[in-house]
Amino acid sequence: GQNIDQPTEMTATEGAIVQINCTYQTSGFNGLFWYQQHAGEAPTFLSYNVLDGLEEKGRFSSFLSRSKGYSYLLLKELQMKDSASYLCAAGGYSTLTFGKGTMLLVSP
Amino acid sequence: GAVVSQHPSWVICKSGTSVKIECRSLDFQATTMFWYRQFPKQSLMLMATSNEGSKATYEQGVEKDKFLINHASLTLSTLTVTSAHPEDSSFYICSASFWEESTDTQYFGPGTRLTVL
Repeated sequence: GQNIDQPTEMTATEGAIVQINCTYQTSGFNGLFWYQQHAGEAPTFLSYNVLDGLEEKGRFSSFLSRSKGYSYLLLKELQMKDSASYLCAAGGYSTLTFGKGTMLLVSP
Repeated sequence: GAVVSQHPSWVICKSGTSVKIECRSLDFQATTMFWYRQFPKQSLMLMATSNEGSKATYEQGVEKDKFLINHASLTLSTLTVTSAHPEDSSFYICSASFWEESTDTQYFGPGTRLTVL
């Protein structure tokens, strides 16, 4: 089975940097995904890590440590539109198990 | 690329009726599609995994006779909620696997909001 933990909510101010952590305990782990979900909408794909290390994609970066069962999503230069839920998901064999999501509120 | 559409976006129906939701991969062929359900302020819950040309694999606790899944082609999967009841009201989201950069990434449709009166 899979167990994924991430904080329920976080707050930050516009222009700041925020790090959303995720820990996982899984069987058959193939990689770690991050998705963004705005209220009332479906998730959109942000990043994927299969190897240890940092993957950078513009303002968003994601890090993975397989030995520690740990990942984080780093958001830089926060904008108001970044207010959303961020879902950590562990990839198994062709399936994903989602965490409960971290609600990020960006304030002016 | 990797666009997934879903239809309808929202539906309101009477208790006891059946509702069909379509999920299409628009610019790629998806061997595997997934159906999720999400209640307000809760996480996505996988209902079933659908493979083209074979029977869907349902998660524990999901009634296969109530939630009928058909994956007739590599670009279309349908979910039919049979004899819907108010407790079936939820946000139903499909996703399709797209192989890119050596990994199978799931891309989500926009979701269907079902309200059963």
